[in-house]
Amino acid sequence: DGGITQSPKYLFRKEGQNVTLSCEQNLNHDAMYWYRQDPGQGLRLIYYSQIVNDFQKGDIAEGYSVSREKKESFPLTVTSAQKNPTAFYLCASSIRQGANTGELFFGEGSRLTVL
Amino acid sequence: AQSVTQPDIHITVSEGASLELRCNYSYGATPYLFWYVQSPGQGLQLLLKYFSGDTLVQGIKGFEAEFKRSQSSFNLRKPSVHWSDAAEYFCAVGERTYKYIFGTGTRLKVLA
Repeated sequence: DGGITQSPKYLFRKEGQNVTLSCEQNLNHDAMYWYRQDPGQGLRLIYYSQIVNDFQKGDIAEGYSVSREKKESFPLTVTSAQKNPTAFYLCASSIRQGANTGELFFGEGSRLTVL
Repeated sequence: AQSVTQPDIHITVSEGASLELRCNYSYGATPYLFWYVQSPGQGLQLLLKYFSGDTLVQGIKGFEAEFKRSQSSFNLRKPSVHWSDAAEYFCAVGERTYKYIFGTGTRLKVLA
């Protein structure tokens, strides 16, 4: 079955450490996204990528980095520069439909806790 | 600036009662509109979407939503709520630049 796989589901990090969250999709979608979710704040866009080897900052990119070397993969690194990294992280993808994009397909999320 | 407002943070309904979740948006052009549902600790699942055409759209799990341009609204409805509908619901607008704007969500509680 096609879908988006995020790993790990739970991750614990000590302050000062970088961590990388994995996101893989087999939907053959062009665009991929990373969102951060905090209670009561909805989803906030961290980074998105429309095509391989290209990505753009979202609304809260500071302290995060991404790469898009393959169409199916869009890993997110949470660096030590991110001041409040404890959150639920969601990866998503979408297919382009004409001048617009279709709906987002989401992974199951990764919960990062900084100790 | 484009925005999506879900005015109700929490809603509680009894099982079998009808449900309406409100969503208002601010967007210059004709928007692409979505409703998603999220169970605790899970990703978001698409309930329904509006791109164009009939303003009343049917979705999965018995949900429907109506696009009202004059009111800039896209409210989600269900005639009879089941206990399994307890979850958080998000309204979203899709822009023409690969970006989506999400509301802050409405958490639904269902009483037995």
